[in-house]
Amino acid sequence: DTEVTQTPKHLVMGMTNKKSLKCEQHMGHRAMYWYKQKAKKPPELMFVYSYEKLSINESVPSRFSPECPNSSLLNLHLHALQPEDSALYLCASSQVTARQATNEKLFFGSGTQLSVL
Amino acid sequence: ILNVEQSPQSLHVQEGDSTNFTCSFPSSNFYALHWYRWETAKSPEALFVMTLNGDEKKKGRISATLNTKEGYSYLYIKGSQPEDSATYLCAFWNAGNMLTFGGGTRLMVKP
Repeated sequence: DTEVTQTPKHLVMGMTNKKSLKCEQHMGHRAMYWYKQKAKKPPELMFVYSYEKLSINESVPSRFSPECPNSSLLNLHLHALQPEDSALYLCASSQVTARQATNEKLFFGSGTQLSVL
Repeated sequence: ILNVEQSPQSLHVQEGDSTNFTCSFPSSNFYALHWYRWETAKSPEALFVMTLNGDEKKKGRISATLNTKEGYSYLYIKGSQPEDSATYLCAFWNAGNMLTFGGGTRLMVKP
């Protein structure tokens, strides 16, 4: 199984809602990532988890709250989002991070398309 | 902020044409350069991970070269086919443990 599964595929939420994005992989990978992609822009890194610990937070607003309950699961909890947070949210995983092995490639999910009204 | 630039932004070619795109990246603190292929409504899929200056990698009709001293990589597609239509992303992995993506080259191959 070389898949990274993201749910839901589409999400529409209001600015007062609380929702969660889910990401799952069963490849035994110990590094997991959240990326945000706005239309016609490159994916931007939000968070990196390494061995279930948050190792990078790229100055992401606190209305985005990541959680890694175990080595296979990565969640992104959303609360009080703004319309400008509408984007494609991509999850990815790798065996380990680049600090441990420079030739690691990322496996991506197909993303959650989020619209904030 | 790391600057990873790709050119051209988009490219239309006829089936059978060969083509190439460029990725430029900072030449300091280099760990690896990745190429990903991203078809519409699918997941980005890794093509190559390149770590050494002068590396050349090949996968079928697609190949890539790497120059870490001057900070660029080329991706070549020989004899393009309609199924090669996708966005090709390069990404630079630096000592800070972050994979930073370029804006991509959108390739459309007409039958």
